[in-house]
Amino acid sequence: LAKTTQPISMDSYEGQEVNITCSHNNIATNDYITWYQQFPSQGPRFIIQGYKTKVTNEVASLFIPADRKSSTLSLPRVSLSDTAVYYCLLEGTDKLIFGTGTRLQVFP
Amino acid sequence: DAMVIQNPRYQVTQFGKPVTLSCSQTLNHNVMYWYQQKSSQAPKLLFHYYDKDFNNEADTPDNFQSRRPNTSFCFLDIRSPGLGDAAMYLCATSRDEGLRETQYFGPGTRLLVL
Repeated sequence: LAKTTQPISMDSYEGQEVNITCSHNNIATNDYITWYQQFPSQGPRFIIQGYKTKVTNEVASLFIPADRKSSTLSLPRVSLSDTAVYYCLLEGTDKLIFGTGTRLQVFP
Repeated sequence: DAMVIQNPRYQVTQFGKPVTLSCSQTLNHNVMYWYQQKSSQAPKLLFHYYDKDFNNEADTPDNFQSRRPNTSFCFLDIRSPGLGDAAMYLCATSRDEGLRETQYFGPGTRLLVL
């Protein structure tokens, strides 16, 4: 059974770049990797999705190495409002597996 | 704005008393999902509908049922809630069932079982 693991928590300061890694050793060929952000008492919100190499949008970058057994979400210049829980999600045929989640705390 | 709506935001029920949670969407998406999220844990998929086709996860207890009377609405029925069913229940939608489909989540309903 595919399993995705993440660091439980990370701390950062405003203006720094934050990199959160998700490990998914048993990723299948068809699986996509998606990252979501969740604030307390709210539903998760889509950040970025990728299959391999690098994807960038207006809020984040996603790095996926050639073996695809891990992925790294990169948040440039975080602010206090980026304090949240970040989940990676493996999406494949008949599969939706959330990672364990990383609680990011951004300090002034 | 198109969105996913869950009512109520907080629901209190008694041990063993059936409860229904509601979800509606204005996105006109084909797929609707129900997740259970316990405190400090990741969301866990219970089941989903692709149009009218119901897809149950293998480890979802029989105590949990769902109905989708039309495209816009989906309900989660808990037939006999136990204390362990206290959680946040998240509804989500996606345009289609395939890969690369972004899920849009509602704000969730927090269920308390007394």
